[in-house]
Amino acid sequence: GAVVSQHPSRVICKSGTSVKIECRSLDFQATTMFWYRQFPKKSLMLMATSNEGSKATYEQGVEKDKFLINHASLTLSTLTVTSAHPEDSSFYICSARRDSNEQYFGPGTRLTVT
Amino acid sequence: SQQGEEDPQALSIQEGENATMNCSYKTSINNLQWYRQNSGRGLVHLILIRSNEREKHSGRLRVTLDTSKKSSSLLITASRAADTASYFCATAASGSARQLTFGSGTQLTVLP
Repeated sequence: GAVVSQHPSRVICKSGTSVKIECRSLDFQATTMFWYRQFPKKSLMLMATSNEGSKATYEQGVEKDKFLINHASLTLSTLTVTSAHPEDSSFYICSARRDSNEQYFGPGTRLTVT
Repeated sequence: SQQGEEDPQALSIQEGENATMNCSYKTSINNLQWYRQNSGRGLVHLILIRSNEREKHSGRLRVTLDTSKKSSSLLITASRAADTASYFCATAASGSARQLTFGSGTQLTVLP
């Protein structure tokens, strides 16, 4: 099956700093990638849809200036959490869509803001 | 927005028993998918059922879809301890984006 990687898998940062998370589709080109956030023992909440070469579409309530998304190529999307605060601590998961129906999920990134 | 509700929230069974999880949704869908997630890990796609399908099988998994009731069920037969995980349903809306909206999940524990 298709492989999607995320880097880093875990990151701890200090409050006020910015963190970049990468999502790569390793063996296919993904015109669309999605970013999700998951709180402990909760479901995935879609944050934004990232289209290659265009601006991301953010879900209601998600601050686009805080969660910067760049989809510079067909195999890479990045999520930057700017001026991170402890409440941004969460599990961030990306997915990449290969065809019209299937999304392939990355392993997730655990962000802890101290 | 979150639209899927899963039932039960948690399920504990003995190895060898069958596990049934239900999912309800609110809007029209193109397809419904089931995913598995081990604690602190990414999601693994299990099965996809299209809106014009009523039942689908994959190994020990059986998924049903009732679009009139806007509900789906996932049955895992002859469960194993390794099936212990969280299971999520996700609905894909119509349209080009085909965004997935996830249910709240069922935590399945299979006791050896």
